[in-house]
Amino acid sequence: TQLLEQSPQFLSIQEGENLTVYCNSSSVFSSLQWYRQEPGEGPVLLVTVVTGGEVKKLKRLTFQFGDARKDSSLHITAAQPGDTGLYLCAGAYSGAGSYQLTFGKGTKLSVIP
Amino acid sequence: DTGVSQDPRHKITKRGQNVTFRCDPISEHNRLYWYRQTLGQGPEFLTYFQNEAQLEKSRLLSDRFSAERPKGSFSTLEIQRTEQGDSAMYLCASSLGLAGVSSYNEQFFGPGTRLTVL
Repeated sequence: TQLLEQSPQFLSIQEGENLTVYCNSSSVFSSLQWYRQEPGEGPVLLVTVVTGGEVKKLKRLTFQFGDARKDSSLHITAAQPGDTGLYLCAGAYSGAGSYQLTFGKGTKLSVIP
Repeated sequence: DTGVSQDPRHKITKRGQNVTFRCDPISEHNRLYWYRQTLGQGPEFLTYFQNEAQLEKSRLLSDRFSAERPKGSFSTLEIQRTEQGDSAMYLCASSLGLAGVSSYNEQFFGPGTRLTVL
């Protein structure tokens, strides 16, 4: 069974602070997605990373894929209340004909005004 | 541009009843997935279709669960003889897979159907 661990599980910060959340696995991903989910809604895709060492930026969000493609991080600069939500990472593992995503449990972020 | 849609958004049923959910994927997407999400957990994969063919099923998909995608467009997920443990958010996702092209497996999710079994 492939496991994907996210940390921290919960994070509460003040508006304007920076934060980093992590996603780790013992297996190699062929690609990894980050999603944000709000209560009662489906996950919304933020970014896909594919290449080891890749860094992608989306406004104040910076996503990094580990060199060995086993881990990833999401850094938010100057967090805003609108960043509040559940951040999920999901990995696609190399496997013939398998397209399922394996999700972590998520990091629940609260940004306090 | 319409995304993935799901119907109904909420369903309350009594134990033992059958329920059916519908998913309409993004129109040009040939791959469709069903996931289940319980409180405090990330989504868990249930099954996957490429066009009308069901190519992968999770062990989570018991005999009481059946999914179809008859014309390679919308899909239905039916749960027979519901149990309280079936209470969850059922999520549908779709993606575009092109033969001979490396797929990054980007899946786009619908808003989900929240099932409550009393």
